[in-house]
Amino acid sequence: DIQMTQSPSSLSASVGDRVTITCRASQTISSYLNWYQQKPGEAPKVLIYGASTLQSGVPSRFSGSGSGTDFTLAISSLQFEDSATYFCQQSYSTPSFGQGTRLEIK
Amino acid sequence: QVQLQESGPGLVQPSGTLSLTCAVSGGSISNSNWWSWVRQPPGKGLEWIGEIYHSGSTNYNPSLKSRVTISVDKSKNQFSLKLTSVTAADTAVYYCARRYYDFWRYFDYWGQGNLVTVFS
Repeated sequence: DIQMTQSPSSLSASVGDRVTITCRASQTISSYLNWYQQKPGEAPKVLIYGASTLQSGVPSRFSGSGSGTDFTLAISSLQFEDSATYFCQQSYSTPSFGQGTRLEIK
Repeated sequence: QVQLQESGPGLVQPSGTLSLTCAVSGGSISNSNWWSWVRQPPGKGLEWIGEIYHSGSTNYNPSLKSRVTISVDKSKNQFSLKLTSVTAADTAVYYCARRYYDFWRYFDYWGQGNLVTVFS
């Protein structure tokens, strides 16, 4: 099984800030890395797939990078509505998710 | 626009069987995608349970494989989950989701989730 480790587990930032969330795979997964946003009481929503491709309709302030084992989700110019938990997920083999990063907007 | 809707009991007794169905609308279940179940214990992360193709081919999470069966009913455009010998650790919100099978294989459509509580 491929283990996915996210950091930090939580963070707090202000409107307008830029934040980054990292995700590390226990073995190389090429670019088979997807990012999801989940708000309380809602299902996850895909933001980025293939490590860096923005899903249709997702604001351009979200971006993804990385390959191999180390990946980053960046959110520039934070908005209040970005308050959520973010998960990475590898699709290189049997799907697995990171433990999540809770983002609070101050 | 594809929509998924889970249905099934919200309470299951320990050692019993959890059964859920996911109805797919706005698209055919017989297209070139896989159909998954994902669960999330309260306040915790996401765990992939397994998936099925319209042909009936399945893939399961090795940690749950001995207790899981996923089936498909193409005539009703739906697929189902059975999880046997449940314990309190199986209490979770259960989501059905479509795994879009292009090159990257990501979950692009999700149901709203169905909370299943295991207690006697």
